[in-house]
Amino acid sequence: EADIYQTPRYLVIGTGKKITLECSQTMGHDKMYWYQQDPGMELHLIHYSYGVNSTEKGDLSSESTVSRIRTEHFPLTLESARPSHTSQYLCASSWNNPFSSYEQYFGPGTRLTVT
Amino acid sequence: GQQVMQIPQYQHVQEGEDFTTYCNSSTTLSNIQWYKQRPGGHPVFLIQLVKSGEVKKQKRLTFQFGEAKKNSSLHITATQTTDVGTYFCAGGSNYQLIWGAGTKLIIKP
Repeated sequence: EADIYQTPRYLVIGTGKKITLECSQTMGHDKMYWYQQDPGMELHLIHYSYGVNSTEKGDLSSESTVSRIRTEHFPLTLESARPSHTSQYLCASSWNNPFSSYEQYFGPGTRLTVT
Repeated sequence: GQQVMQIPQYQHVQEGEDFTTYCNSSTTLSNIQWYKQRPGGHPVFLIQLVKSGEVKKQKRLTFQFGEAKKNSSLHITATQTTDVGTYFCAGGSNYQLIWGAGTKLIIKP
């Protein structure tokens, strides 16, 4: 089993609050990702990072921001939570190969509910 | 943009019947990966195919990568209750993974 951790696992929060979802991995992977997924539905890439000080937006427009100050840590921040942000947020990591794509290891996810 | 289409969205089977899901890409892929997500869980990597026409087996699961490296399939023989979940394909292209929408395997009661 991969060593990638997410906290909190569940979060219920009111509209307008600022929240940070934590993600850490101990595998030394260069590449990290954040996905948004409604239960049983497809994965939507919202942010990714190739390494320290590198962040990119994914395919899904998102009101969140990310940072990558340390290799192992990739937090996601929502400045002002809204009910439309209610979803599951999955963090993943992989090795960064310039010629191919490596398998991704997923954390257990954070299930966010905004009331 | 690049897309990976996955069908069907759902498949209901009796326990013991076979299950198949298909992925098709609009562009040639460098590789294809398959993941399984149990209900309430997170995606878990199953396998990666890299070569044109490649076939790999894991017990009752058979994975194929098309000759043109644009399509792939996952076939499960004699499904069991432990197979329940959503199966995702993800195609490697331009150093990114492009995810299919997933096929949910449901065992009829």
